[in-house]
Amino acid sequence: IQMTQSPSTLSASVGDRVTITCRASETTTNWLAWYQHKPGKAPRLLIYETSTLESGVPSRFSGSGSGTEFTLTISRLQPDDFATYYCQHYTTYSLTFGGGTKVEMK
Amino acid sequence: QVTLEESGPGLVKPSETLSLTCTVSDASVSHFYWSWVRQSPGKGLEFIAYTSQSGRTVYSFSFMSRATIALDTSKNQFSLKLRSVGAADTAIYFCAKMKQTTSWSTPYGMDVWGQGTMVTVSS
Repeated sequence: IQMTQSPSTLSASVGDRVTITCRASETTTNWLAWYQHKPGKAPRLLIYETSTLESGVPSRFSGSGSGTEFTLTISRLQPDDFATYYCQHYTTYSLTFGGGTKVEMK
Repeated sequence: QVTLEESGPGLVKPSETLSLTCTVSDASVSHFYWSWVRQSPGKGLEFIAYTSQSGRTVYSFSFMSRATIALDTSKNQFSLKLRSVGAADTAIYFCAKMKQTTSWSTPYGMDVWGQGTMVTVSS
């Protein structure tokens, strides 16, 4: 299964609501995770099973979706949220990252 | 607090084998799943493989023919060998611990990462 993220780059301001989409090449389960990645740092796991927040992740992050379309939403963008976000699909025999969405300052 | 640290040569010649080691602290490699992910310059994250003491190993289709991941429980480390490398294998290589909802479920993601090690393939 291929995972396609859109947009590849997103310009936004602090306080904005931001939505990133991840589309699967075929209908899939809800085994979908999201990461935040900043330059020079290790990626951070934010969400798994489409909508479950990892411990310690702020509640402004949320995930939803089903079938072939999944979304990551940041309800009110904070300065610390400017980063690249990746979706990641998994099955019992594979694991695939999306191409990434860079959230930059407008 | 679990920490991971990658080590290995920063420069590998084309057609040779890239060998990396990940040293794990404050967790046993006999538990959990352990993985390798890379990021080529200007590109996104790319999954390579994961494994566990149970012997269950998953490789990305892209690396299946030339990658080997292995655990060394005596040293509490795990490793990656990537054969027949080329310039396209130049990347930052990350090792990571994987997380599961239960001890018998499929690992769903990487929750603890090393800082990454840059490997350049060049003659």
